Order: sequence, then structure tokens, then C-alpha cells
Amino acid sequence: DVKVTQSSRYLVKRTGEKVFLECVQDMDHENMFWYRQDPGLGLRLIYFSYDVKMKEKGDIPEGYSVSREKKERFSLILESASTNQTSMYLCASSPRGGGPYEQYFGPGTRLTVT
Amino acid sequence: GDSVTQMEGPVTLSEEAFLTINCTYTATGYPSLFWYVQYPGEGLQLLLKATKADDKGSNKGFEATYRKETTSFHLEKGSVQVSDSAVYFCARPRDGGGSNYKLTFGKGTLLTVNP
Repeated sequence: DVKVTQSSRYLVKRTGEKVFLECVQDMDHENMFWYRQDPGLGLRLIYFSYDVKMKEKGDIPEGYSVSREKKERFSLILESASTNQTSMYLCASSPRGGGPYEQYFGPGTRLTVT
Repeated sequence: GDSVTQMEGPVTLSEEAFLTINCTYTATGYPSLFWYVQYPGEGLQLLLKATKADDKGSNKGFEATYRKETTSFHLEKGSVQVSDSAVYFCARPRDGGGSNYKLTFGKGTLLTVNP
């Protein structure tokens, strides 16, 4: 079974702190994704990575950056956390090529910024 | 465009009731279609999928048929259980070359099943 793990289930940080959210997958997938999930807004893509050191902005990249130094690990960084970044963050991975592009999700990190 | 529209919730049903959650999509071709489910406190997991028109995806008693005439992929279950209480998302790959690894999700439908 594909396993996607996220470093924390719950996280509380203060405004202005630098926050790291880690995601690891064990199926050698090329693609990895970071989403945020908010009530009434569904899932919104923050960043996408299609290979080591390669990244692409998603729909809402402002205030975030990412790092992918190893194939299995994809980190989301909040450079200076703000209260409007309080949300559920979901990581996902998928293989490249073929189809139909099913994504595998981690359990999520619920981040609260106070 | 490559949007997905699903019925707004919340949906509340009694156990053994029939469930339908509507999903329609826009597309220039015939994209694969997915239903994901998110149980309380968990991430999303794939519930079922259909890769071409007229396909029927099924899993755990849920079914959805890919209907190109109506550009729909409605989720159905004949008899829901309390354990089906979750948020359900319809999704499709985004249009356009290399971006088709990304998915477009509907906003989700919260289902609550009461005993």
C-alpha cells in the first residue's frame, strides 16, 4: 500500500514564526503536492513538485515556499506564519506517466496560527 | 475550462436510505473522473474512478457512471451506513499538457448518516 505520512497531525504556531510541514511518501512517486483545505472552499493547490528540486506554483502560493531535496520528501514552508494560514494542510503524491493520475493523500496537518 | 461542480451539502440521511451526490464537470474531451472520500480526522482516499465514457466505477457499495451526454458522474449508494459519514469529493485531471497530473476537486459534500 502507498503510504504518505506527514510530520504532525496538529500544530500550533505564533504569528511571524517560520513553520515547516514535512511529507514523506514510500512509493517512489515522482509527483508530490501540497494543498490546503478550508470549509466551503474545498482543496486548493499550493505547490506541486514533479521531480527532485523541481517545483511549480499552484493556485495559492503566496506566503508559502517548498523544498524537495529527496524524491520521497516534500516540505512546505511558511516563511512568516499569519493567522489567515490557519488551515488543514494535505500532502499527496502520484506516479508520473500512464494514468489516470490518482493521488494518494497523507492524513493532514491541522495548523493553528495564533 | 476544467471545473467540477458537486451538490452542496450537508446531506443528512437515516441508515439504509438511498444516497445520491451529484457531480458535473466541464471538459473539452473525456477526462478520467474520481470520487474521493475523507473520513473524520483523516486525509482523502480514492473511493472509485472511471477512465472513459460509460464506465462504471464501484467500491464499498458505492457506484458512479461516467455519462458524457450529461457530463455527469453522480455518486450513488443503495443503503448507507453510519460508517459512510464523511466528506465526498468529485475530481478530474486538469486540462492542458503537463498540468494533467494536477486534479481539480469539487468543494466537497458532507454526508451524515444517523442510526
